[in-house]
Amino acid sequence: GAVVSQHPSRVICKSGTSVKIECRSLDFQATTMFWYRQFPKQSLMLMATSNEGSKATYEQGVEKDKFLINHASLTLSTLTVTSAHPEDSSFYICSARDFAGSYNEQFFGPGTRLTVL
Amino acid sequence: KNQVEQSPQSLIILEGKNCTLQCNYTVSPFSNLRWYKQDTGRGPVSLTIMTFSENTKSNGRYTATLDADTKQSSLHITASQLSDSASYICVVRSATNFGNEKLTFGTGTRLTIIP
Repeated sequence: GAVVSQHPSRVICKSGTSVKIECRSLDFQATTMFWYRQFPKQSLMLMATSNEGSKATYEQGVEKDKFLINHASLTLSTLTVTSAHPEDSSFYICSARDFAGSYNEQFFGPGTRLTVL
Repeated sequence: KNQVEQSPQSLIILEGKNCTLQCNYTVSPFSNLRWYKQDTGRGPVSLTIMTFSENTKSNGRYTATLDADTKQSSLHITASQLSDSASYICVVRSATNFGNEKLTFGTGTRLTIIP
């Protein structure tokens, strides 16, 4: 199956700093990528949909100035958490959609654990 | 409002035993239903995908069923192994003819296999 990678897998930062998370589709082109966050013992919550070459679409309640998304190429999307605070600590997961596949499926990355001190 | 409910929330079984996880959904328009396995600290990995016309699909020791009339799905795991300990998430995809799609996630069932 298609492979999606994320980097870094873990990051610890001080409050007020910005953190960038990368999501890459390794063996397919993804015109659309998705960013989710997951709190402990809860399911994934969609934050935003990222389309290559255009602005991301954010879900209601997600601050677009706080969570900056850039999808500059068909294989890379980045999520930057700006001026991070402890409440931003969470597990961030990206997915990439493979339009060429049989089911137009989203493949998920392994996630990034963000801890803000 | 689209919803996916899973039961039980958590389950503990002995290694080698079988178990069945349930998923009820109210999602429209329905496109497909997937079961994912998510290990702690990892992203979800797809186990099965079922479309409207499919009733049963197997992937090794995992067998998923779908009843589109009652909007219910189940995931049966046979001869459980310690490595099956994970969260299992039911995800329903809805899609319109205009190409808009949305995934609705269940809250998952936390399965623990004990030796």
